[in-house]
Amino acid sequence: AQSVTQPDIHITVSEGASLELRCNYSYGATPYLFWYVQSPGQGLQLLLKYFSGDTLVQGIKGFEAEFKRSQSSFNLRKPSVHWSDAAEYFCAVGALGRALTFGSGTRLQVQP
Amino acid sequence: EPEVTQTPSHQVTQMGQEVILRCVPISNHLYFYWYRQILGQKVEFLVSFYNNEISEKSEIFDDQFSVERPDGSNFTLKIRSTKLEDSAMYFCASISGGRETDTQYFGPGTRLTVL
Repeated sequence: AQSVTQPDIHITVSEGASLELRCNYSYGATPYLFWYVQSPGQGLQLLLKYFSGDTLVQGIKGFEAEFKRSQSSFNLRKPSVHWSDAAEYFCAVGALGRALTFGSGTRLQVQP
Repeated sequence: EPEVTQTPSHQVTQMGQEVILRCVPISNHLYFYWYRQILGQKVEFLVSFYNNEISEKSEIFDDQFSVERPDGSNFTLKIRSTKLEDSAMYFCASISGGRETDTQYFGPGTRLTVL
């Protein structure tokens, strides 16, 4: 069965600092990997995705993620966090046309 | 940019009542999904729908749930007899299908409160 683990429930960083959110997955085949962001009371917005090819993918809002097959990881990074990045971040794994399995999410707080 | 829309944004109902949550997927999309998120918890898959039938469903999607695409634009989730534990945010999603780079696009959600 597929699963996603986001080990950090809550992370606080200072504005301007770098950020890394961890995601580990378990999947029986080549995974399709996603990061979504959810602001309070809002829906899920896609930040970036990995299907194949270059293992470092760029997304919106200055985010990037690196797929590491050997570590079953797909960590999300941003070099300099802005106050507007405060939100909940979800990693998800799936296959084309199939259900997505989400992690439990990481809540990001940004300190001024 | 096309987007998935959902109505209503918030639905309050009494336990035992039927509710219908509505979604309008992106117009040329072929695969449709419902997910739910209980407050403070992860997003969970309920059901997927393709070619006018259910293609996949989770254990959560029991007999009290049903989905329908009544016309060319709407995609609905019906809960026949709501329970307190059905209180959650329900998200609809869709993808176009058939291309490697397809992504599930999510609607803003319907918050269901069962009293």
